Amino acid sequence: EAAVTQSPRNKVTVTGGNVTLSCRQTNSHNYMYWYRQDTGHGLRLIHYSYGAGNLQIGDVPDGYKATRTTQEDFFLLLELASPSQTSLYFCASSDGGGSYEQYFGPGTRLTVL
Amino acid sequence: QQKVQQSPESLSVPEGGMASLNCTSSDRNFQYFWWYRQHSGEGPKALMSIFSDGDKKEGRFTAHLNKASLHVSLHIRDSQPSDSALYFCAAKGGSALGRLHFGAGTQLIVIP
Repeated sequence: EAAVTQSPRNKVTVTGGNVTLSCRQTNSHNYMYWYRQDTGHGLRLIHYSYGAGNLQIGDVPDGYKATRTTQEDFFLLLELASPSQTSLYFCASSDGGGSYEQYFGPGTRLTVL
Repeated sequence: QQKVQQSPESLSVPEGGMASLNCTSSDRNFQYFWWYRQHSGEGPKALMSIFSDGDKKEGRFTAHLNKASLHVSLHIRDSQPSDSALYFCAAKGGSALGRLHFGAGTQLIVIP
């Protein structure tokens, strides 16, 4: 089964702090995604990528940067964290084939005080 | 505004009962649908996909798609406590390749 790992699993920072969330997939998938999950909103797409060096903007990109350094690694950067970014963050990968099935990591819970 | 709407927001059914979840798309470009399930403390996991009009059955789970009305449903028969989870509907389509559009989810509680 497809494997997606995320680190850290939990993170607490202060307003204005810098945070980097990491994601690695070992499935040789082309597509990788960053979502945030908030009650009442479901999964909202922040950024995604279809290969190393590529970046596509999702639906809620403000305040977030992302970088895809290799096919395996996708990072989400919060350079000036705000309390509104307190959320549960998921990374996912997909081969981008006809089905678009996505495989999710275990999530990172971020708290911005 | 979310392009994929789910109802109800939460649903409680007795063990052994039938659970019915609904999903509607507001974008006629969304023609292909997924159901994902998320247990507490875990990431979402794909449950089943449906791309053609009609029913698709996988064990106790049956998905139904009506492309004309852009409505998809998920029916779980003989519900088990282990089915208690958050269920997402996701739609594929439109001009953005490689992405799915997720609904807000339905929280299913199966009461023993």
